[in-house]
Amino acid sequence: ETGVTQSPTHLIKTRGQQVTLRCSSQSGHNTVSWYQQALGQGPQFIFQYYREEENGRGNFPPRFSGLQFPNYSSELNVNALELDDSALYLCASSLAPGRPHNSPLHFGNGTRLTVT
Amino acid sequence: AQKITQTQPGMFVQEKEAVTLDCTYDTSDQSYGLFWYKQPSSGEMIFLIYQGSYDEQNATEGRYSLNFQKARKSANLVISASQLGDSAMYFCAMRDSSGSARQLTFGSGTQLTVLP
Repeated sequence: ETGVTQSPTHLIKTRGQQVTLRCSSQSGHNTVSWYQQALGQGPQFIFQYYREEENGRGNFPPRFSGLQFPNYSSELNVNALELDDSALYLCASSLAPGRPHNSPLHFGNGTRLTVT
Repeated sequence: AQKITQTQPGMFVQEKEAVTLDCTYDTSDQSYGLFWYKQPSSGEMIFLIYQGSYDEQNATEGRYSLNFQKARKSANLVISASQLGDSAMYFCAMRDSSGSARQLTFGSGTQLTVLP
């Protein structure tokens, strides 16, 4: 069984640039969620994709956008990068949005983004 | 209002001793789930244990157990016989019915250090 994989592992960008992060979901999982984890904080929900459509969004501006592909892999795009976007970005997959209730999210190792 | 509160930014425990990490939560739902994750310095999020709101018994998984006190809205993680490899950040998270994504909401975490 293949776990959640994310690429790249590290990335350095300049303020104002755009970035694309990638995630391959665990085999058999059709739902992908993205989280932002700033240094010293817990992960914050960005959005979720289910069957190639956005299925819920946290308190993040529209310059955070995403895609999900037919093979359930996903991209997170961030435009007009700001210094505060520096964080660990975590991708998680699941069988379906929050179902069954007791199903944990399976996380990738994350992409560490630094904006200078 | 904060949904998950972890009031211990850092905890120290001697190797082979037990330690309790605190977590309180807030929800108006009757049906919800509580999760604990471990995050080593490498960044991966490792699922440890789950407790459902309707579960009559406290969850246990090896050396991990969850002290669930529903009336107090607390879900403390107990790690028995601590090992050096238990040194990591620990996050409490909740899933309730808010939002179509039924995403996990995380606390701010507790940094556990196991001393030799």
